[in-house]
Amino acid sequence: GDSVTQMEGPVTLSEEAFLTINCTYTATGYPSLFWYVQYPGEGLQLLLKATKADDKGSNKGFEATYRKETTSFHLEKGSVQVSDSAVYFCALSFNQAGTALIFGKGTTLSVSS
Amino acid sequence: GAVVSQHPSWVICKSGTSVKIECRSLDFQATTMFWYRQFPKQSLMLMATSNEGSKATYEQGVEKDKFLINHASLTLSTLTVTSAHPEDSSFYICSARDSSGGAIEQYFGPGTRLTVT
Repeated sequence: GDSVTQMEGPVTLSEEAFLTINCTYTATGYPSLFWYVQYPGEGLQLLLKATKADDKGSNKGFEATYRKETTSFHLEKGSVQVSDSAVYFCALSFNQAGTALIFGKGTTLSVSS
Repeated sequence: GAVVSQHPSWVICKSGTSVKIECRSLDFQATTMFWYRQFPKQSLMLMATSNEGSKATYEQGVEKDKFLINHASLTLSTLTVTSAHPEDSSFYICSARDSSGGAIEQYFGPGTRLTVT
């Protein structure tokens, strides 16, 4: 079945370090891909998305490119901040009514100053 | 942006009682809403898909008689945990998909922390 696999955390970085969180997917068809972020004590927020191959989603300095050939959607940020500490979820969905998101297990990022 | 609210944000109840959680889309209509459960430091597990005006579709292993879902309008879905037990303690999150314009995003509520004592 369709699934999302993302790197296990926690990921611990110093402020201004480069961040990569790997995400790969398995899907029949052509899903849309998402990164969601969950800050401590809060609900999920959409961070960025890409709807087709080679699309690049970006927001708040984060980027991810939809790579069909490697079935990947890795999240990157050039310089992390303490405020980026959160749990990051990679997810996929099909553009059909009633289709839920399929989530990866989440990666906890901790950034220290 | 689109906003989804949940109420209550946290609730403590005694074992054997029932608890109702509301999920509302505040500025858009949602034909479909989803209910997820999140265990500590784990991913979200889809429990059921709630469709306005029809019966919810439950995922395998989720007891439909225990987790009653009602989607009575295009902006409101409710999840009732019946005869709650301590193992039902969890973080319950709803999401809603904007029905208009072919949008694909789902917007998440802030979650409800349920503790059953």
